Amino acid sequence: GAGVSQSPSNKVTEKGKDVELRCDPISGHTALYWYRQSLGQGLEFLIYFQGNSAPDKSGLPSDRFSAERTGGSVSTLTIQRTQQEDSAVYLCASSSNRAGANVLTFGAGSRLTVL
Amino acid sequence: GIQVEQSPPDLILQEGANSTLRCNFSDSVNNLQWFHQNPWGQLINLFYIPSGTKQNGRLSATTVATERYSLLYISSSQTTDSGVYFCAFGTASKLTFGTGTRLQVTL
Repeated sequence: GAGVSQSPSNKVTEKGKDVELRCDPISGHTALYWYRQSLGQGLEFLIYFQGNSAPDKSGLPSDRFSAERTGGSVSTLTIQRTQQEDSAVYLCASSSNRAGANVLTFGAGSRLTVL
Repeated sequence: GIQVEQSPPDLILQEGANSTLRCNFSDSVNNLQWFHQNPWGQLINLFYIPSGTKQNGRLSATTVATERYSLLYISSSQTTDSGVYFCAFGTASKLTFGTGTRLQVTL
């Protein structure tokens, strides 16, 4: 597509429920990233995909968080047994990852509120 | 670990004024980018600038990698420039973001 698409744009859930957030990157972009933006923590890296593999998942905060990417395209971030501290805006970005021009394009984000 | 410091944290300008935002980083760089987050939360990439100088309209950026800093210049500011400006630094796989400079441009 023309830009990075994320869904849902807003999600309100109860503590303990599982949520799935979806990211559809720019067509042809091989690199995909998930970041999280919360009031107290700023922008935090979560995970990086190159194609379907995730060589860097060092930012995932706990084993309740997981992500996958299929077909070198769409990615899903899953949060199990949500906690109130998971409330944040989850941002997805993609990049062509060409050497010397690794420009990240961000989606509009998915705002997650855990009650 | 990698650290990114931005200054000033907050800035209020009158429309038409110029400004300089600074980003200091803690390590050698092969990936440094500037972003603008508008009041609706959308992050827009302004520059990919691990070294040298680039210009795009009223905006320009300079990175001096040997001294570990980058500057973003905004000239003839407009109200649409309001928002938060982030510097991000790191590798191809992972960027560390600074805490941002919040800019408000008033009439």
